Amino acid sequence: QQQVKQSPQSLIVQKGGIPIINCAYENTAFDYFPWYQQFPGKGPALLIAIRPDVSEKKEGRFTISFNKSAKQFSLHIMDSQPGDSATYFCAASRGSGNTGKLIFGQGTTLQVKP
Amino acid sequence: EPEVTQTPSHQVTQMGQEVILRCVPISNHLYFYWYRQILGQKVEFLVSFYNNEISEKSEIFDDQFSVERPDGSNFTLKIRSTKLEDSAMYFCASSRPGSTEAFFGQGTRLTVV
Repeated sequence: QQQVKQSPQSLIVQKGGIPIINCAYENTAFDYFPWYQQFPGKGPALLIAIRPDVSEKKEGRFTISFNKSAKQFSLHIMDSQPGDSATYFCAASRGSGNTGKLIFGQGTTLQVKP
Repeated sequence: EPEVTQTPSHQVTQMGQEVILRCVPISNHLYFYWYRQILGQKVEFLVSFYNNEISEKSEIFDDQFSVERPDGSNFTLKIRSTKLEDSAMYFCASSRPGSTEAFFGQGTRLTVV
């Protein structure tokens, strides 16, 4: 019940394409869903996050879609660029009043070809 | 921009030796975390720390592991007797009160030989 399942494991798109990464969770107590971007040799960096009271959130070229009934959420990267090539992790957490522990998905390695 | 800093960036140690990984969280943050990432795998939660005590720990965080905030700025992870399977990237993270946004450090790559 603590798992977050992420797919695909890897993804290759052409510049300008819209890669979509999907995550699913089981624990309905989760109420905070961030996406992290990680470049080789670096720590994960928060990209965008959503709470279950909204179905979509956009920040720049990054969009999270959230389906509470299906317990799924996804990351869309609009107009993808070679600089977006990185590993992306979804995560889930129970929110305020909790310890802040993040449960991460397995990660998706994205390659954006020029 | 404030950031979480970790030292050393890479540590090689003999199996059975003790190692201490160091972190300086962001100054106004009060929640501290250690995560690890075995090469090519997902990031795994180890422990969270608040108000000078462990608030939650995972099954990975057994008696070989301990954490400490020895002064007002550092947060350390000690592994008493390292095993080969402890080889991983260890990330420190911190968050401020009332926020679930965790900021991660650059990581320490631990290699146990």
